[in-house]
Amino acid sequence: EPEVTQTPSHQVTQMGQEVILRCVPISNHLYFYWYRQILGQKVEFLVSFYNNEISEKSEIFDDQFSVERPDGSNFTLKIRSTKLEDSAMYFCASRGLAGGTDTQYFGPGTRLTVL
Amino acid sequence: GQNIDQPTEMTATEGAIVQINCTYQTSGFNGLFWYQQHAGEAPTFLSYNVLDGLEEKGRFSSFLSRSKGYSYLLLKELQMKDSASYLCAVLDSNYQLIWGAGTKLIIKP
Repeated sequence: EPEVTQTPSHQVTQMGQEVILRCVPISNHLYFYWYRQILGQKVEFLVSFYNNEISEKSEIFDDQFSVERPDGSNFTLKIRSTKLEDSAMYFCASRGLAGGTDTQYFGPGTRLTVL
Repeated sequence: GQNIDQPTEMTATEGAIVQINCTYQTSGFNGLFWYQQHAGEAPTFLSYNVLDGLEEKGRFSSFLSRSKGYSYLLLKELQMKDSASYLCAVLDSNYQLIWGAGTKLIIKP
């Protein structure tokens, strides 16, 4: 069964450093998403991406964040200058039609720890 | 604003039945999802409702009433592995998933 994959599974970085989180969505999907979940809190929407551009973004997704689909398979989230409060699980999701539903399928997540 | 409410925590006994409720107020509605999330893992898809009524899938069923802004997830024949958080999420008019805070389900033997 096709699945969304994410690398790395765990990233530790120093405050102020840049990080790039990578995702490979399900191959025939067209809509891509990034979410984050701070430990013990709810899942929060960051950004959606379609047709090589951002379609929606939340207040969290400020100028420190960017997304890119550099080739036909990868979908990346870059945090330019990390802050302590960026420590969270970051989930990538992709959307397609499965059995008539508009389900978003999630990757396993990247745990980002900012020291 | 957009709001999704579900109980913070529920406890049930192995082999029993539990119903997890979710109420929502969102800008537009393109369906309601239930996801299961074990600690430290990604949410995994359980069910999707866009029309009123009950959808049954094995031990899990999900119900939707759009007029009441209400859904529930019903879990039957509970197993210890069902201990997890259950997340209610609504797809709004922009096709954004709006998430509830999740219901932590504790199963006791």
